[in-house]
Amino acid sequence: DAGITQSPRYKITETGRQVTLMCHQTWSHSYMFWYRQDLGHGLRLIYYSAAADITDKGEVPDGYVVSRSKTENFPLTLESATRSQTSVYFCASREFYEQYFGPGTRLTVT
Amino acid sequence: TQLLEQSPQFLSIQEGENLTVYCNSSSVFSSLQWYRQEPGEGPVLLVTVVTGGEVKKLKRLTFQFGDARKDSSLHITAAQPGDTGLYLCAVLSGNQFYFGTGTSLTVIP
Repeated sequence: DAGITQSPRYKITETGRQVTLMCHQTWSHSYMFWYRQDLGHGLRLIYYSAAADITDKGEVPDGYVVSRSKTENFPLTLESATRSQTSVYFCASREFYEQYFGPGTRLTVT
Repeated sequence: TQLLEQSPQFLSIQEGENLTVYCNSSSVFSSLQWYRQEPGEGPVLLVTVVTGGEVKKLKRLTFQFGDARKDSSLHITAAQPGDTGLYLCAVLSGNQFYFGTGTSLTVIP
C-alpha cells in the first residue's frame, strides 16, 4: 500500500548506543521530515529534507544525524542515545501545504 | 514562544454535545491545517484552509479560517466517542511546519 512506513515501531536501547530509525515513503514526495513528540511540547521538528542529498536542521537537531541518499528513504540516527531522547518519533512527507505522517516509533532509552 | 496557541488544552464532553476548539496566532499565514491524532498513531490530516473567512465542512466538523488569516476554529456538532483524540493545528512557514500543542478531546459515551 502507498504511504509512509516507519521501523521499528518500538525500540528500547541503552544510554550511549547508536540507534537508527527508518522511514520509507512510496509517493516520491520531495520533502520529508522527522519530528519528536513529547508531553507538554507537542511536535518538534528535528530535521527535514527538501530532496535527496539536501537536509537541514529543525528546532531540536542536537544529538541526531540524518541522511537522504534516495528520495524514498530518510533515516534518523541517534549517534549516542541519551535518556532525554526517549520520545515518540514521527516521520512525515509533504505535498504542497499538507503533511502525511507515518505511524511513529516509540523509543525508550534506559 | 509558541507560534500557534491552541485552546482549550483539554476538553471532556458527553456524547451528543457540541464543541469548538481554537487555534490562534499573532502572525498571518497563507494556509492552516488541522490534524487529528489518535493514541498510538501519527497525526492524520483533516483539512487545509487557505482563504481568509473560508469555511469548510467535513461531515460533523466545521473548520473556519479567520478573516485576517491569523486564527482558526474547529467546531464539532453532536460529538461521538470516535471523535476522541488530539486535535492539532499547523502552518507552513518557509520550508517548515509549525504545530500547536493541541487540544486533547475526550467524548464520553
